[in-house]
Amino acid sequence: SQQGEEDPQALSIQEGENATMNCSYKTSINNLQWYRQNSGRGLVHLILIRSNEREKHSGRLRVTLDTSKKSSSLLITASRAADTASYFCATFGAQKLVFGQGTRLTINP
Amino acid sequence: DAGVIQSPRHEVTEMGQEVTLRCKPISGHDYLFWYRQTMMRGLELLIYFNNNVPIDDSGMPEDRFSAKMPNASFSTLKIQPSEPRDSAVYFCASRGRDTYNYGYTFGSGTRLTVV
Repeated sequence: SQQGEEDPQALSIQEGENATMNCSYKTSINNLQWYRQNSGRGLVHLILIRSNEREKHSGRLRVTLDTSKKSSSLLITASRAADTASYFCATFGAQKLVFGQGTRLTINP
Repeated sequence: DAGVIQSPRHEVTEMGQEVTLRCKPISGHDYLFWYRQTMMRGLELLIYFNNNVPIDDSGMPEDRFSAKMPNASFSTLKIQPSEPRDSAVYFCASRGRDTYNYGYTFGSGTRLTVV
């Protein structure tokens, strides 16, 4: 069962633009994680934000977490063609990592 | 470390046959997870192990599915008998004890097609 809902389901932007993906969830969490999946490949862990954190950066990635609204966002700045992939948020709680349905991001050259 | 290793990468089998998927987790990781990914249901957690012991198998869809972890470096997911609706990509993942700072490491998956 999915814990998170992601918005939008698909996003297409021009190279160099910023991409923002949103995730909402329902239950309390210990942390929230974002993963990338290239077509036909496994998931790659991108970044983890703890429940007591509000914002975290890693290279061109910026993640925010609002536990009062049970929502998170992933911002990819200065997008590149290689960023084309599906992005999943996943909530960790009660020893389980539960994934959302993902956002399909396409970067157009 | 070579990461989480899954085999085979692709499996095509006929309905009714037994299928065994294999996984080698990252050395030193205490937890191992089996997920299934389909277009309709997304990523579903099937079962997870801690120190080779199955902890939660509530996601295993039916008795046709079974998983074992005989030692810290090997796990199998078996489907017997297989059905067309079992067609999916099956992922194995592992992680260490620190859940506060580190995410999961996934294998490349096994794409199963049951015809």
